[in-house]
Amino acid sequence: NAGVTQTPKFRVLKTGQSMTLLCAQDMNHEYMYWYRQDPGMGLRLIHYSVGEGTTAKGEVPDGYNVSRLKKQNFLLGLESAAPSQTSVYFCASSYPWTGGGEQYFGPGTRLTVT
Amino acid sequence: GENVEQHPSTLSVQEGDSAVIKCTYSDSASNYFPWYKQELGKGPQLIIDIRSNVGEKKDQRIAVTLNKTAKHFSLHITETQPEDSAVYFCAANTGNQFYFGTGTSLTVIP
Repeated sequence: NAGVTQTPKFRVLKTGQSMTLLCAQDMNHEYMYWYRQDPGMGLRLIHYSVGEGTTAKGEVPDGYNVSRLKKQNFLLGLESAAPSQTSVYFCASSYPWTGGGEQYFGPGTRLTVT
Repeated sequence: GENVEQHPSTLSVQEGDSAVIKCTYSDSASNYFPWYKQELGKGPQLIIDIRSNVGEKKDQRIAVTLNKTAKHFSLHITETQPEDSAVYFCAANTGNQFYFGTGTSLTVIP
């Protein structure tokens, strides 16, 4: 049982390049989330999904796209990377819940855009 | 949207002392308040949580209190140990979204 895994762990991009971050979970969770973590700003929600084939915008969605074609995978795409997207990206998953439920986080992807 | 504020940003305590981290939130509809611990180079991990219908919850050396009227909640760690050193985040849930505080870097001095 690997929990939540993220690929890749590190990446350096040049401005304007594109890339996709992959998140996979083996806990059969319905909900999945993408966050970014910047110094002094905590974690901010980019996009989330409440089930296969569904996605929704979070607090900071601009410049990112997501897809949830399979229940266990949640992809985060950057079509044209910008230096402002330099950050650590975390994926999380959870069971569907009413009134609260634990999110399980992956180990993170450190992205640098030059 | 929800706004979560967390204080202090850094906290140093002697081993064995208590540590208290405080958070406030703005949206009265928020109904779930988890606390996460993040060690260097790792993802956050849930350590304790509380729902809006509960005022206090305790798990061994860790406790959380919630004051819905004042819209604030606090994390209390007693008998701190060096392995408690980490960054702690509070969060508030509204609908399907979680809003996080900016984190507290706790250092426990042996």
